Amino acid sequence: GDSVTQMEGPVTLSEEAFLTINCTYTATGYPSLFWYVQYPGEGLQLLLKATKADDKGSNKGFEATYRKETTSFHLEKGSVQVSDSAVYFCALRNSGNTPLVFGKGTRLSVIA
Amino acid sequence: DARVTQTPRHKVTEMGQEVTMRCQPILGHNTVFWYRQTMMQGLELLAYFRNRAPLDDSGMPKDRFSAEMPDATLATLKIQPSEPRDSAVYFCASGPPGTNYEQYFGPGTRLTVT
Repeated sequence: GDSVTQMEGPVTLSEEAFLTINCTYTATGYPSLFWYVQYPGEGLQLLLKATKADDKGSNKGFEATYRKETTSFHLEKGSVQVSDSAVYFCALRNSGNTPLVFGKGTRLSVIA
Repeated sequence: DARVTQTPRHKVTEMGQEVTMRCQPILGHNTVFWYRQTMMQGLELLAYFRNRAPLDDSGMPKDRFSAEMPDATLATLKIQPSEPRDSAVYFCASGPPGTNYEQYFGPGTRLTVT
């Protein structure tokens, strides 16, 4: 079945450091890919998405490119802030109206 | 600013008691999902509905969990009887009609069963 694999956390970075969270997927067909973020005590929020190969999703300084050849959707940000501390989930949804398949999440802590 | 709402936000109950969690999806959304989040298992899909009809509840323990949508504005998740291992955060999410949509999550219900 479809699956998403994320890098294990936690990830601890200093403010203004470069962030990469790796995400790879296994799926039949042509899935849409998502990154969600969960701040402490809150539900998940959509951060960005890409619906076809080579699309780049971007939001709030974060970006991720849909790489079909490597089945990856790595999340990057050039300069993280303390307020970016959260858990980040990579997810896919295959063609058709099926539920999202989530990775296990990666906790990011940014220290001043 | 349309949001998914969930009640209660926190629930502490004793083992054996019935627990009911409620979710109001975003108006116009026709798909509703229930997830459970724990440290050990991460985010698990319990069940989902489209146009109020259950499409998949294979993630739910059938003997004690039940999910319904009495109408388009209300989804419920019940646990009877509750057990300590049910302690988790339960999230409801909704999605609009069509393909390539994202899911919109509620704030969750934190359940503690003692």
